[in-house]
Amino acid sequence: TQLLEQSPQFLSIQEGENLTVYCNSSSVFSSLQWYRQEPGEGPVLLVTVVTGGEVKKLKRLTFQFGDARKDSSLHITAAQPGDTGLYLCAETSGTYKYIFGTGTRLKVLA
Amino acid sequence: DVKVTQSSRYLVKRTGEKVFLECVQDMDHENMFWYRQDPGLGLRLIYFSYDVKMKEKGDIPEGYSVSREKKERFSLILESASTNQTSMYLCASSYRETQYFGPGTRLLVL
Repeated sequence: TQLLEQSPQFLSIQEGENLTVYCNSSSVFSSLQWYRQEPGEGPVLLVTVVTGGEVKKLKRLTFQFGDARKDSSLHITAAQPGDTGLYLCAETSGTYKYIFGTGTRLKVLA
Repeated sequence: DVKVTQSSRYLVKRTGEKVFLECVQDMDHENMFWYRQDPGLGLRLIYFSYDVKMKEKGDIPEGYSVSREKKERFSLILESASTNQTSMYLCASSYRETQYFGPGTRLLVL
């Protein structure tokens, strides 16, 4: 069974700081997704990465897929309180199969 | 916008009760999912459905059943609720590789 490990588990930072969270697998990803879940809501898809070495940007968020497709990172520049939430990575292999990581809980203090 | 709604945001039930969690999506998606989310364990798939009246077990189906009589509605049934089923339950529908989640139902079994 593929395991997705996310680190750190918890992160509390001041507004304006930069941060990086990581997602690592015991085996090669087919494709990888990042979600953000705000308190009291369901996860919302941020990005899907497919190709090893791929980098995608979404405003202040930069997503990177490792060359060997066994790891991914999410970097947030100049974090804002609105970035607070649970960040989840998920491996997808086909239409039905999603394996989620345990998440990184981020709190950005104003 | 895709909308996935869940019948209740919070539920409190007694041990042994039969519990119904309802999920409705408005985008004509064929695939629907039920997950439970627990701290430190991430999202775990209970059941999914790829068509009306079609269902497949996920990773943790024990103690649960599902019903999909109409395309837009996917119900999760706890036949006899137990305290270890206290959790956050998330419903999702998907199109291609993108999952759309409902806001979740927080269930407490006493």
